[in-house]
Amino acid sequence: NAGVTQTPKFRILKIGQSMTLQCAQDMNHNYMYWYRQDPGMGLKLIYYSVGAGITDKGEVPNGYNVSRSTTEDFPLRLELAAPSQTSVYFCASIPGPMGSYNSPLHFGNGTRLTVT
Amino acid sequence: QKEVEQDPGPLSVPEGAIVSLNCTYSNSAFQYFMWYRQYSRKGPELLMYTYSSGNKEDGRFTAQVDKSSKYISLFIRDSQPSDSATYLCAMSETGANNLFFGTGTRLTVIP
Repeated sequence: NAGVTQTPKFRILKIGQSMTLQCAQDMNHNYMYWYRQDPGMGLKLIYYSVGAGITDKGEVPNGYNVSRSTTEDFPLRLELAAPSQTSVYFCASIPGPMGSYNSPLHFGNGTRLTVT
Repeated sequence: QKEVEQDPGPLSVPEGAIVSLNCTYSNSAFQYFMWYRQYSRKGPELLMYTYSSGNKEDGRFTAQVDKSSKYISLFIRDSQPSDSATYLCAMSETGANNLFFGTGTRLTVIP
């Protein structure tokens, strides 16, 4: 049971390039989330999904896209990378609705992205 | 005003000390309160989970929630060097699809 797996661990992008951050979970969780973590800013929600084929915007969705074709995978796409997207990106999953007792978020170990 | 405020520290204590970490919040609809621990270059992992007001104890860790003051705390007794990490508070409303996180407090326990 690997939990939440994120790839790559590190990436350097040039301004204007695109890339996909991969996230996979093997816990059969319906709910999946993408967060970014910036120093002094805490974790901010980018996009989330409550099941295959269903996605929705979080607090900071601009510049990102997601898809959810399977329960296991929830990739995050950056189309035109900008320096403001330099951050650590975390994927997380949960069995059911977040505001529910005994449903903690399971996080991956993050992708560290630098855009120069 | 931020939804959740947390003193970023850093906080440095000697081994064996009692540590107190705190967060305040502005949204009275928050019902679920959590503390996550994050080691360097790792994802956050859940440490404590509390619903509504009250205390919860788990080994050396105690979480307290005071909804009347919109204030939550995490106490670590007999702190160990292995407790050195960043501690994030988080909270959500019932049925919500987002957790609101504090910025994290970086703790170092000195042997």
